[in-house]
Amino acid sequence: EVQLVQSGAEVKKPGESLKMSCKGFGYSFSTYWIGWVRQKPGKGLEWMGIVYPGDSDTRYSPSFQGQVTISADKSISTAYLQWSSLKASDSAMYYCARGMIVGGFSAFNIWGQGTMVTVSS
Amino acid sequence: EIVLTQSPGTLSLSPGERATLSCRASQSVSSTFLAWYQQKPGQVPRLLIYGASSRATGIPDRFSGSGSGTDFTLTIGRLEPEDFAVYYCQQYASTPSWTFGQGTKVEIK
Repeated sequence: EVQLVQSGAEVKKPGESLKMSCKGFGYSFSTYWIGWVRQKPGKGLEWMGIVYPGDSDTRYSPSFQGQVTISADKSISTAYLQWSSLKASDSAMYYCARGMIVGGFSAFNIWGQGTMVTVSS
Repeated sequence: EIVLTQSPGTLSLSPGERATLSCRASQSVSSTFLAWYQQKPGQVPRLLIYGASSRATGIPDRFSGSGSGTDFTLTIGRLEPEDFAVYYCQQYASTPSWTFGQGTKVEIK
């Protein structure tokens, strides 16, 4: 079965770092773009950026450029989303999602279960 | 950045009724790169429509998408109880600035 499995919920303090993961199963991880999406409580979906695990090509939404780092390690079929210094406003659910087509930009048809991040002092 | 504006914000309808949801883009979007998602409370978003009008795998045919340029529509032919949810449009035409609309909530009247 094709699936993305995300790491567990996190509770952090402002200023702390965080790296969450998204592991792909059941398909050739290197050949599909993986995207990250933020959803704050009670709010809509925000596209953060995408990574192509095959060559680590990464694209960021202007809103998130410089705020987060997206990466991937194709050897272990895992994509990452990381922060060097969290803020309370980073508290949200974060989803990874896989594109539909090999190699190209497309809608996201496979989604991870989400990772909830709470940043509070 | 292409801004997607969805309307209405909330749609109150009864089961069996037809739902028409709008997504308007601030500039022209190739229909190849327009998708619709459904999200129920506490659940992960689910892809319904891609390429503006193609149903994703397993999506019932009561869901249909149409439109081009700056105006796109998601139609739910006859609402089933499980269709009450929030719906988002998304454009993935202008890398790196892919965007989602703010969502339309379809609620039971």
